[in-house]
Amino acid sequence: GESVGLHLPTLSVQEGDNSIINCAYSNSASDYFIWYKQESGKGPQFIIDIRSNMDKRQGQRVTVLLNKTVKHLSLQIAATQPGDSAVYFCAERTGGSYIPTFGRGTSLIVHP
Amino acid sequence: DAGVIQSPRHEVTEMGQEVTLRCKPISGHNSLFWYRQTMMRGLELLIYFNNNVPIDDSGMPEDRFSAKMPNASFSTLKIQPSEPRDSAVYFCASSPPLGRRGTSYEQYFGPGTRLTVT
Repeated sequence: GESVGLHLPTLSVQEGDNSIINCAYSNSASDYFIWYKQESGKGPQFIIDIRSNMDKRQGQRVTVLLNKTVKHLSLQIAATQPGDSAVYFCAERTGGSYIPTFGRGTSLIVHP
Repeated sequence: DAGVIQSPRHEVTEMGQEVTLRCKPISGHNSLFWYRQTMMRGLELLIYFNNNVPIDDSGMPEDRFSAKMPNASFSTLKIQPSEPRDSAVYFCASSPPLGRRGTSYEQYFGPGTRLTVT
């Protein structure tokens, strides 16, 4: 059959709202997780990370939550701003490996 | 710090031509990664160097692709001959040595090279 491009999941929010971006991972042995932000025309940029011995970590306006039971990771952005518009990737690492596995990404669109 | 530097930023070439992408990692970083990003396949790791030595090249698509890291401050990714399906954005990323407690695996990405093969 004809192949089609894969469309990223998209989250649209109003400026000032809180945003929650979700990520499901598959490897129960993963012990380190990272969120990256990729703006149009740029490379991915590190936002925040979390180890598997934690379930929550906070940064500036961002919070990452980890639920190992259901293998779920979320990134919460408080008071979302137009500058937060980007594609957000989660990545996982396993057992001390230096090589991350990246998710497909979620496109966040912030409307002024 | 200037961050990871990649050149060229854009490359348009004809099928069959040789393409060389260049990367200068952040000074002091000892790991370097080459990625390819497309809408169809997302972000794919092509090859990973540690201390200038290729550690994992299982992501290199085929023999047309080769990568070198002759010293700690320079790496190249070469495609010969190039094909239209190689069109993508190619990213180079570098990472610092792990601390004594191995606290961070953060990768610093360059701005990418957008390759178009016609």
